Amino acid sequence: DVVMTQTPPSLSVAIGQSVSISCKSSQSLVYSDGKTYLHWLLQSPGRSPKRLIYQVSNLGSGVPDRFSGTGSQKDFTLKISRVEAEDLGVYYCAQTTHFPLTFGSGTKLEIK
Amino acid sequence: EVQLVETGGGLVQPGRSLKLSCVASGFTFNNYWMSWTRQAPGKGLEWVASITNSGGSTYYPDSVKGRFTISRDNAQNTLYLQMNSLRSEDTATYYCTRGYYDGWGQGTLVTVSS
Repeated sequence: DVVMTQTPPSLSVAIGQSVSISCKSSQSLVYSDGKTYLHWLLQSPGRSPKRLIYQVSNLGSGVPDRFSGTGSQKDFTLKISRVEAEDLGVYYCAQTTHFPLTFGSGTKLEIK
Repeated sequence: EVQLVETGGGLVQPGRSLKLSCVASGFTFNNYWMSWTRQAPGKGLEWVASITNSGGSTYYPDSVKGRFTISRDNAQNTLYLQMNSLRSEDTATYYCTRGYYDGWGQGTLVTVSS
């Protein structure tokens, strides 16, 4: 199984600051079609998860461009520029390249 | 707008069965793979099952293989999850998800306890 290691487990940031979350996979996430199926999700408190970014760097519909994703192969980063209060919650990376599909353990973002 | 509405959760005894449903609207259902993903109380996300557009192929992790069955009715825009031989560790909120997680339902809570 592909293990997704997310760091840090939690972080506290002030409004307007920038923050990065790392996600490393135990295997390359490049599929046979050449695409990389690594996605980022946000679960706001009491809500269902929502996809922010798909295939490493593509912004989901309606997602502010303060969010950006980078990376390749086994090493990926989510960056949030100019954090806003609504960004609090738990961020997950998820891979859909290999079965079984797996998720990172989550990064809890708190606002100072 | 993508809408996914799960139903069928509840309290069930260990060893018993339960069937979840997810009614989809706002998109062409038979154009998408669909999945079930669960979240135990206070825990992270765990993939449970996926099914191709036509329903011709299904996929499961070892934790539920042989006990859970995913299926779909494209005429009714509905996704199902038949859960048999339920265990306490299956207690979770079960989410219906579209494609590469670009749509999520509100979830339905399944509690397995005597």
